[in-house]
Amino acid sequence: DQQVKQNSPSLSVQEGRISILNCDYTNSMFDYFLWYKKYPAEGPTFLISISSIKDKNEDGRFTVFLNKSAKHLSLHIVPSQPGDSAVYFCAASESGTYKYIFGTGTRLKVLA
Amino acid sequence: DGGITQSPKYLFRKEGQNVTLSCEQNLNHDAMYWYRQDPGQGLRLIYYSQIVNDFQKGDIAEGYSVSREKKESFPLTVTSAQKNPTAFYLCASSIGGGIGELFFGEGSRLTVL
Repeated sequence: DQQVKQNSPSLSVQEGRISILNCDYTNSMFDYFLWYKKYPAEGPTFLISISSIKDKNEDGRFTVFLNKSAKHLSLHIVPSQPGDSAVYFCAASESGTYKYIFGTGTRLKVLA
Repeated sequence: DGGITQSPKYLFRKEGQNVTLSCEQNLNHDAMYWYRQDPGQGLRLIYYSQIVNDFQKGDIAEGYSVSREKKESFPLTVTSAQKNPTAFYLCASSIGGGIGELFFGEGSRLTVL
């Protein structure tokens, strides 16, 4: 039972364009969402998060959008840079439960 | 620097042997976690601990054991009962409560020969 899904295993984008990574969840109790970036053989690094009381959060080139009715969130990277090439994981949690559930990841390749 | 230290980074073991992965944090976080990463399967939760001397099973706890005797330390033992132990193991910590980011270590790659 995959509670957090990233249906696109990979995505290629030209440098300077927008990258949009998508994530869907099934558990309506999730109220906190995070995006992580991961390089091979390294630990994930935190990018941005959003609470369910918001529908948008921005940090520099990264913006996360949350659509609670659709149980969908997306990460926008503008402009995309070659250094953004990595695997991106979305994660969800329910406050008070201490459990963070991760998606399967999307491999982003930014072409120079 | 504050952070999470995992050791060893690479580990080889023979079938039938238990192995313990170390995880230490100096972030003063209450909660600690172990995840496993396999190709195409994302990060799956093995065990987590909210406070010292307490821990709960995650989604794939079979064949693993943990202890939390100190706030800073959360070692994971991969036992011989784990059928597919070859994987990349990640330790993480958080302030707690399911709100706030997880901070990850650099990971440990376990290969069973």
